[in-house]
Amino acid sequence: RKEVEQDPGPFNVPEGATVAFNCTYSNSASQSFFWYRQDCRKEPKLLMSVYSSGNEDGRFTAQLNRASQYISLLIRDSKLSDSATYLCVVTSLNYGGSQGNLIFGKGTKLSVKP
Amino acid sequence: DTGVSQNPRHKITKRGQNVTFRCDPISEHNRLYWYRQTLGQGPEFLTYFQNEAQLEKSRLLSDRFSAERPKGSFSTLEIQRTEQGDSAMYLCASSPMGGRRIEKLFFGSGTQLSVL
Repeated sequence: RKEVEQDPGPFNVPEGATVAFNCTYSNSASQSFFWYRQDCRKEPKLLMSVYSSGNEDGRFTAQLNRASQYISLLIRDSKLSDSATYLCVVTSLNYGGSQGNLIFGKGTKLSVKP
Repeated sequence: DTGVSQNPRHKITKRGQNVTFRCDPISEHNRLYWYRQTLGQGPEFLTYFQNEAQLEKSRLLSDRFSAERPKGSFSTLEIQRTEQGDSAMYLCASSPMGGRRIEKLFFGSGTQLSVL
């Protein structure tokens, strides 16, 4: 099983649509979770952190289910500018028990059409 | 510009040559990461440093790859005897380390390597 798995898409949606992305991770010891956004030929940038209680930032809502090892991202009222690849990211633990490296999923491509 | 800086932006080399990339992180960040990304894939972890100490290295990383961060500031990634399969975008990122938790990563624009 891959460490972080995402549906690669592409998701093609009209403007104004609501779209949801899912991600599963294999390491139950992971403690930090993130969604990153990557535009074509650009570097990844943090979209939002994901907390156990769930969190919302404007049109974006992230959820974490530790029991199922599952993370989701919901985008409401999608805009043309939301077109990008969305990367699910989890942390590993190093031998000292502190957070190690960040493991990225392959990403889910979103294309919002007029 | 106080972001993460990577040089060069592009590198074209012939198979078998050695190449070296440089990364200058955000000055107060003690963690520095190297990732590699190919088209259609997410960034693949290579190695990371906390200050000058290299704490983890991917098991997938060939011994042709070596990274250093001699004074805990800038880092270099060297690839020896390059192969066509090394062609990729090499991304550097830095992060403050807040206690035992990872804070967000700030990425540089990357170095695009093409091995002919």
